[in-house]
Formats: sequence, C-alpha cells, structure tokens
Amino acid sequence: DAKTTQPNSMESNEEEPVHLPCNHSTISGTDYIHWYRQLPSQGPEYVIHGLTSNVNNRMASLAIAEDRKSSTLILHRATLRDAAVYYCILRTSGTYKYIFGTGTRLKVLA
Amino acid sequence: GAGVSQSPRYKVAKRGQDVALRCDPISGHVSLFWYQQALGQGPEFLTYFQNEAQLDKSGLPSDRFFAERPEGSVSTLKIQRTQQEDSAVYLCASSLGLAGTDTQYFGPGTRLTVL
Repeated sequence: DAKTTQPNSMESNEEEPVHLPCNHSTISGTDYIHWYRQLPSQGPEYVIHGLTSNVNNRMASLAIAEDRKSSTLILHRATLRDAAVYYCILRTSGTYKYIFGTGTRLKVLA
Repeated sequence: GAGVSQSPRYKVAKRGQDVALRCDPISGHVSLFWYQQALGQGPEFLTYFQNEAQLDKSGLPSDRFFAERPEGSVSTLKIQRTQQEDSAVYLCASSLGLAGTDTQYFGPGTRLTVL
C-alpha cells in the first residue's frame, strides 16, 4: 500500500488560511487521495477526496500536484473548531481499506 | 440520530475478562468496519462486513478477537481474556455501498482500558 508523509504538527491563527501538506511519492494511478480529520474524543470525519483535479467542498479545498506526488488540504479560514488531527490517506480504487498514518495535529490559536 | 453510534463509550475491564462492544451503523449502510486506535496513533483496520458476511478479518490481532453482524445491521466486537495491550479506542465505521468503497462514516468509538 502506498504511504503518505505528513508533518507531525502545525499551528495557525484563527481566521487565517491553513495549508496542510501531504507527500505521497509512491502513489499509483488508481489511488484516490482522501482526507479525514479527528476532533478530540471523536471518530474520524470525512473532509474531502480527489484523484487528479483540485476539489472544493463546503469544508475545504484539495490541491493536487500535477505529478500527484503531493497534495495540500486548504482550510480557507481556520476556526478554533478546526483544531484536530488531519489524516491524508491513499485508497486504491475498488478497495475499502483506509491505511491511516499518524496525521498532522493542527493547533488553532485565538 | 443519523450517525454511527457505539456503546459503551468507555469500558474498564480487568485483565482476563471478556468484553463486548456494540456498533449501530447508519441505517441502510451495507458495509461495516472495525478499527483499533492506540494512543497517539491513527486507526488500524480490524475487520470488514458486507451485510452479515465477514469478508475480511485480516486485521484482527489474535483469535481472542471476534466480530459478528448476524442480521446485517448491528455489529458486536468481542474480546476474550482481555490483556493490557488491548487497551485502545475501538472505532466502528459504515458505508453505503456493497464494495465498501464509498465514504466511511465513523462512530465516536469505545475507549477500552484493561487494568
């Protein structure tokens, strides 16, 4: 299974944009890039996913590099409620297993 | 509620006791997953059900772990003769489709502490 590399932790000021990077240099053509986040004492929550093109939804944007070896989750205006561990996960098309890493712990400063 | 629910939320067991953890998936979701999350780590896959069929149990760490979903809805994860290394948060997730390739929706987890 292809792996991802994320920074252990990041900090952001409230109401500023946050760019969370993820490296996945061994990604294959059928791997989708998924992002989940886990708030304290909760289960992981789906954020966004994509294959090749950039994606936007109400929670965030996903920017995927042209060679697909890296991606960035963008929170446009961080709030205190966005403080969580963010996981970047690759999932091969047609498979069901998520292989989580240790994620990035995002701290949002008031 | 519309989400995945799990009970109990917290469980303390003495070493050697058996425990049973319950998961109520989102109504109509065909696929159900169990994960184990150790402190400071990401969740790790344990097992996968499609309706009542357990199609993948490759992640179960030992034969002390057993999961069932007899009617294709509620699922129970049972751990026999608990050991301290079983202490973790046990997460349940469900997804709509047959192949389990849809987005997975997670419950809040059960925190198991084995003394």
